Amino acid sequence: DSGVTQTPKHLITATGQRVTLRCSPRSGDLSVYWYQQSLDQGLQFLIQYYNGEERAKGNILERFSAQQFPDLHSELNLSSLELGDSALYFCASSVRIYSEQFFGPGTRLTVL
Amino acid sequence: AQSVTQLDSHVSVSEGTPVLLRCNYSSSYSPSLFWYVQHPNKGLQLLLKYTSAATLVKGINGFEAEFKKSETSFHLTKPSAHMSDAAEYFCVVSSMNRDDKIIFGKGTRLHILP
Repeated sequence: DSGVTQTPKHLITATGQRVTLRCSPRSGDLSVYWYQQSLDQGLQFLIQYYNGEERAKGNILERFSAQQFPDLHSELNLSSLELGDSALYFCASSVRIYSEQFFGPGTRLTVL
Repeated sequence: AQSVTQLDSHVSVSEGTPVLLRCNYSSSYSPSLFWYVQHPNKGLQLLLKYTSAATLVKGINGFEAEFKKSETSFHLTKPSAHMSDAAEYFCVVSSMNRDDKIIFGKGTRLHILP
């Protein structure tokens, strides 16, 4: 158990819908990262927050947004969902910006 | 700019034989390097990390990696493979340079043959 929690574990929804994925980092970790993993694209870095502020952006679509709250938990919002958004979404946290990351168990999103 | 290349997308070894997973990197600043393992339908787990201390790094489950600056490599090894080592392995590079991002390799899937 890494100490990073993600909810929900599974999510099934329809195209065009909007969903919110939630992540609670390890106690003491200030940085949160979001990743998308699919069979065809592999592991893709989406976005990073550090102590509430956006720190780095990767291959995140404009339909996706995220934020980190004052209590350091983070949410990833996915809107206007498409079939291709079906994937595993991982959250990770770290103490410092470039230190080792600890990954949550992931949220499996299925868009029908 | 940084980059990382995992030279093999698949590696197959017999149980009890050595494992070698290759990783090359480039970084304009002193890099931090990591290896992560992902078992099927699980999150990634840190195996080991290099952060400018000893060049030979020991990790969990008998894995180790050697940082070779002259060869810009950080290969992962294990003397004797076990069936439970079958998984996907990711090499990762980062640095303290603000313009650098954390870069994940594309992964190497390790198959263990009985």
